[in-house]
Amino acid sequence: TQLLEQSPQFLSIQEGENLTVYCNSSSVFSSLQWYRQEPGEGPVLLVTVVTGGEVKKLKRLTFQFGDARKDSSLHITAAQPGDTGLYLCAGASHTGNQFYFGTGTSLTVIP
Amino acid sequence: DAGVIQSPRHEVTEMGQEVTLRCKPISGHNSLFWYRQTMMRGLELLIYFNNNVPIDDSGMPEDRFSAKMPNASFSTLKIQPSEPRDSAVYFCASSGSSGRTDTQYFGPGTRLTVL
Repeated sequence: TQLLEQSPQFLSIQEGENLTVYCNSSSVFSSLQWYRQEPGEGPVLLVTVVTGGEVKKLKRLTFQFGDARKDSSLHITAAQPGDTGLYLCAGASHTGNQFYFGTGTSLTVIP
Repeated sequence: DAGVIQSPRHEVTEMGQEVTLRCKPISGHNSLFWYRQTMMRGLELLIYFNNNVPIDDSGMPEDRFSAKMPNASFSTLKIQPSEPRDSAVYFCASSGSSGRTDTQYFGPGTRLTVL
């Protein structure tokens, strides 16, 4: 069962453009994480959000956790080729012991 | 620290053969996770251990899959017999505890191809 749906699935944009990736679920999560995965490597954690409505910024990346803790978004400002990769959201179970990963968004930033 | 170490990085085998994937977690971490990643199904949790004890193996596809963690520094995922549909990238990850905000550190993965 896929608990987290991400959109869009694929995104190709020009360097300098802005973009938003969405992570949606009908389930409530105790926390949510965003990862970036590059080809041939494992996912690397970018951020963890815990509180409903929480907003975190990491340089040009802005992460928001929905008020109901069912959804999240990742906004990238002025995308750069180095942002290219697979972006994954992951929601934590209420026990906190498991993370359920989203379907992923493959981002390509063209120089 | 060397990070999570997985071996082999690539494995090609024939249907029906036994496959063993290996993982060395980061020293001091007490939770270990096995994931499978495919284009169709994304990243799926197969099993996770806490303090070397399997906590939840509900993600293991079927009895052909088994995982062990004999000590804090080593885990294996075995597939016997292997089938073409098992072809995927298998990741091992470890974290410092089982807390809901803890960072999971992923290994580089093992790309398995079953012919």
